[in-house]
Amino acid sequence: GNSVTQMEGPVTLSEEAFLTINCTYTATGYPSLFWYVQYPGEGLQLLLKATKADDKGSNKGFEATYRKETTSFHLEKGSVQVSDSAVYFCALRGRGSNYKLTFGKGTLLTVNP
Amino acid sequence: DTEVTQTPKHLVMGMTNKKSLKCEQHMGHRAMYWYKQKAKKPPELMFVYSYEKLSINESVPSRFSPECPNSSLLNLHLHALQPEDSALYLCASSQAVGTGAGNQPQHFGDGTRLSIL
Repeated sequence: GNSVTQMEGPVTLSEEAFLTINCTYTATGYPSLFWYVQYPGEGLQLLLKATKADDKGSNKGFEATYRKETTSFHLEKGSVQVSDSAVYFCALRGRGSNYKLTFGKGTLLTVNP
Repeated sequence: DTEVTQTPKHLVMGMTNKKSLKCEQHMGHRAMYWYKQKAKKPPELMFVYSYEKLSINESVPSRFSPECPNSSLLNLHLHALQPEDSALYLCASSQAVGTGAGNQPQHFGDGTRLSIL
């Protein structure tokens, strides 16, 4: 079956630091990959996505590249802000008739001023 | 602002009460989902509706009863819940279903935080 493994954290950074949250996956075929962000007290927001190998998703300064050879989709940001403090979920969705999103366990990011 | 609207935002109910959670989207999506999320955990899928018909029930107890009155609305009827059912309940929708749906993201509401006394 499909699975997603991401670094669980928590991750604590100072403002303007570089962020990497690792995500690797196991899936049959060619899944689509997503990063969702959940701010305190809110639902999940789609941060970025990639639907095929070598695609780069980007949004709000965050980037992730679909690496099929390493089955990875690591999230990066060059300079984090306090407002980026949230839980980040890596997720995949298979190409078949399966509607399910498979989530990683989530990574709590805290950015200090 | 989220495009999936859930009401109420908070709900406290006793174990003998009957209540309903509501979800609405106006993005023309034809798939809608209910998830349960416990603290510090990822969401767990409960139900999927495709074109207003229930297509997936992830072995959810019958005290949870979903309903999809039309393509924009999704309800979750609650009855005789247990304290362990206290959680954040998230609704989501997506654009397409079937074999071409893999690259379509799901859009989530802000959830209903449910507490069972």
